[in-house]
Amino acid sequence: GENVEQHPSTLSVQEGDSAVIKCTYSDSASNYFPWYKQELGKRPQLIIDIRSNVGEKKDQRIAVTLNKTAKHFSLHITETQPEDSAVYFCAASISQADMRFGAGTRLTVKP
Amino acid sequence: KAGVTQTPRYLIKTRGQQVTLSCSPISGHRSVSWYQQTPGQGLQFLFEYFSETQRNKGNFPGRFSGRQFSNSRSEMNVSTLELGDSALYLCASSLGSGQGTYEQYFGPGTRLTVT
Repeated sequence: GENVEQHPSTLSVQEGDSAVIKCTYSDSASNYFPWYKQELGKRPQLIIDIRSNVGEKKDQRIAVTLNKTAKHFSLHITETQPEDSAVYFCAASISQADMRFGAGTRLTVKP
Repeated sequence: KAGVTQTPRYLIKTRGQQVTLSCSPISGHRSVSWYQQTPGQGLQFLFEYFSETQRNKGNFPGRFSGRQFSNSRSEMNVSTLELGDSALYLCASSLGSGQGTYEQYFGPGTRLTVT
């Protein structure tokens, strides 16, 4: 099955700086790549996603890029704020029945 | 629309016992996926159900099973509990079929502690 690797496992940035989280996937048939944010004690929330026919997608301060050839995708958060502190998960999906997640990145934004 | 709900929210069991967790998806969603979340392991895929059929299964032992009912509600069962089964069990619902229907929405999870 699909294998998703995520780096780094922890990331600490100063408020206002940018943060980048990277993921690689193994199955070239994967065609949907969501990112989830999980705050402490809460459920994962979908924050942005991208499909394989798109190279980049932006939503205000967050953006995701996809390189199908290299089989990697990244989450970019600009102008980070303390409320961005959370665990972020990437995932790759081959079908509606199969979504695999990375191990997560704990992002800490220092005020 | 009401979100995904899971019951119970917390559960304490003893080794060797069995447990059943329940998940009610968003109205209109026919797919339910189950995940095990432990510190450092991320979200491990257990299985996915659509229209009462298991379409996919992750790499978990046969002690982990599930089912889905005609109203799309799903249950998962873990038999002969082990200490290592202590985790947060999350379910996620999605439409499950059709174009652009991959988005999954998570429930609050059931925190299972095995002693």
